[in-house]
Amino acid sequence: NAGVMQNPRHLVRRRGQEARLRCSPMKGHSHVYWYRQLPEEGLKFMVYLQKENIIDESGMPKERFSAEFPKEGPSILRIQQVVRGDSAAYFCASSLRKQAPHEQYFGPGTRLTVT
Amino acid sequence: DQQVKQNSPSLSVQEGRISILNCDYTNSMFDYFLWYKKYPAEGPTFLISISSIKDKNEDGRFTVFLNKSAKHLSLHIVPSQPGDSAVYFCAASAMYSGGGADGLTFGKGTHLIIQP
Repeated sequence: NAGVMQNPRHLVRRRGQEARLRCSPMKGHSHVYWYRQLPEEGLKFMVYLQKENIIDESGMPKERFSAEFPKEGPSILRIQQVVRGDSAAYFCASSLRKQAPHEQYFGPGTRLTVT
Repeated sequence: DQQVKQNSPSLSVQEGRISILNCDYTNSMFDYFLWYKKYPAEGPTFLISISSIKDKNEDGRFTVFLNKSAKHLSLHIVPSQPGDSAVYFCAASAMYSGGGADGLTFGKGTHLIIQP
């Protein structure tokens, strides 16, 4: 886990507000993956990004969710108009290469609570 | 549709004994399998993996077995130690076949409790 930073670690939002979750990958890693873990569930893949590009967003909900990984700065997962069902732990992982699932290093997660 | 299943939410094992965690999958495109360990308030940590061309991979106290025909894998920990108490996730990828999403597909996890 060392090296992948996520902030904030805990985030509380009221229904209808926006949530922004940040992920700084390990140094030298240009591949970022976002996962969501609902209570009592496993992690569910949401989106895979490389610098400035969304490669695979097949796991992203169609509305209110977006992700970016700019040339400079962390990757951002943005949730607009949050609802109670968005309450979950959001994990990001980074890797040096694509096609190297065993090399995905996870951050500590952001726990989002929607009140 | 749960493509990776861990049917035991929890497992209690005595210290020093063998822990066996099981995982089943349904997607024939999966060709690479991983086990992750997770402590509360932390992210998952990679433990061990196996590709579909093998049926066994060993790393210290951890061994993963893969039965492709049964679409089943298991993680053996021997001997079990108190520090092994954690949630263990099985994950799968269509790494070589290229099918499916680029991310990993996880099971729901098994909470392993090692009793002294």
